Amino acid sequence: DVKVTQSSRYLVKRTGEKVFLECVQDMDHENMFWYRQDPGLGLRLIYFSYDVKMKEKGDIPEGYSVSREKKERFSLILESASTNQTSMYLCASSLMATGGAKNIQYFGAGTRLSVL
Amino acid sequence: AQSVTQPDIHITVSEGASLELRCNYSYGATPYLFWYVQSPGQGLQLLLKYFSGDTLVQGIKGFEAEFKRSQSSFNLRKPSVHWSDAAEYFCAVAPYGGSQGNLIFGKGTKLSVKP
Repeated sequence: DVKVTQSSRYLVKRTGEKVFLECVQDMDHENMFWYRQDPGLGLRLIYFSYDVKMKEKGDIPEGYSVSREKKERFSLILESASTNQTSMYLCASSLMATGGAKNIQYFGAGTRLSVL
Repeated sequence: AQSVTQPDIHITVSEGASLELRCNYSYGATPYLFWYVQSPGQGLQLLLKYFSGDTLVQGIKGFEAEFKRSQSSFNLRKPSVHWSDAAEYFCAVAPYGGSQGNLIFGKGTKLSVKP
């Protein structure tokens, strides 16, 4: 089974802190994604990555950056956390396949971040 | 731009009753379509997917979905709901013909099950 592990289930940080959210997948997937989930808004894509050191902006990249130094690890960075970044953050990965199979994403359990 | 609409924010059904969750998408060609389920405090799990071929697809946990091109819909169904089905359900479409590997999600439908 594919396993996507997010390092923290719950995180509480102060406004202005630099925050790192870590995600590791164990299935050698090329693609990795960071989403933010808010009630009534569903999942919104922050950043994604097709390969090591590659990154692409999603729909809401402002206030976030990412790092992918190794294939299995994709980090989301909040350079200076703000209260409006309080949310559930979900990491996902998928295989670089042909056709629809490349779009099958496997999710971690999520990190609920509170910024006070 | 491609989009996914789930018109029902919250649905309550009785245990043993049938279920249909609605999903409409906007996309010119035949899209890749997905249904995911999220139990409380968990990540998303893939229920089923449609790429091509038979428009009625079977998934895990007894769920099925039907792709209707004429209605731009991909509704999720289950003949008899169990209490453990209480969760949030997300419909998703792969934009740009799936070429980028990412998904666009609907805003979700929360399912409550009455005993």
